[in-house]
Amino acid sequence: DQQVKQNSPSLSVQEGRISILNCDYTNSMFDYFLWYKKYPAEGPTFLISISSIKDKNEDGRFTVFLNKSAKHLSLHIVPSQPGDSAVYFCAASATGNTGKLIFGQGTTLQVKP
Amino acid sequence: DTGVSQDPRHKITKRGQNVTFRCDPISEHNRLYWYRQTLGQGPEFLTYFQNEAQLEKSRLLSDRFSAERPKGSFSTLEIQRTEQGDSAMYLCASSLPDPRNEQFFGPGTRLTVL
Repeated sequence: DQQVKQNSPSLSVQEGRISILNCDYTNSMFDYFLWYKKYPAEGPTFLISISSIKDKNEDGRFTVFLNKSAKHLSLHIVPSQPGDSAVYFCAASATGNTGKLIFGQGTTLQVKP
Repeated sequence: DTGVSQDPRHKITKRGQNVTFRCDPISEHNRLYWYRQTLGQGPEFLTYFQNEAQLEKSRLLSDRFSAERPKGSFSTLEIQRTEQGDSAMYLCASSLPDPRNEQFFGPGTRLTVL
């Protein structure tokens, strides 16, 4: 039972353009959502998060949008840079419990120069 | 503090052998998590410690797996009688008891069971 889904295994964009990574979830108890970036041979690195009481959070080039009614969130990267090429994981948690994260399968982003 | 560290980074073992991995979290973090990641998947939760208490274990964690955090600092994950299906990346993460729940991950231990 995949509670967090990233349906696009890969995405390729041109440098300077917008990258949009999508994530869907099924568990309505999730109230906190995070995006992590992962380079090969490294652990995931926290990127940006959003609480369920918000619908948007912005940090520099990164913006996360949350649509609770659709159980959908997206990560926008503008402008995309070659150094953004990595695997991006969406994760969710229900903060009332242990804080364990439920991850999606990941989307590999390639930003071409 | 330079972040979460894990040792070893790579482990190759034969089926049936026991292995133990170590995780050193960020020093002021009282929450510690173990995850497992296989190829093409995201990390899957295995177990959680708050200080030295193990408060949750996933049903993925068979009785061949045991984890400890004896003094609320470093943690160990032991796998007994390894099987080829145990081959994966084992990730450790730590965090403060923060409602933002940002977890900091170590580089992982890659286990290969032959």
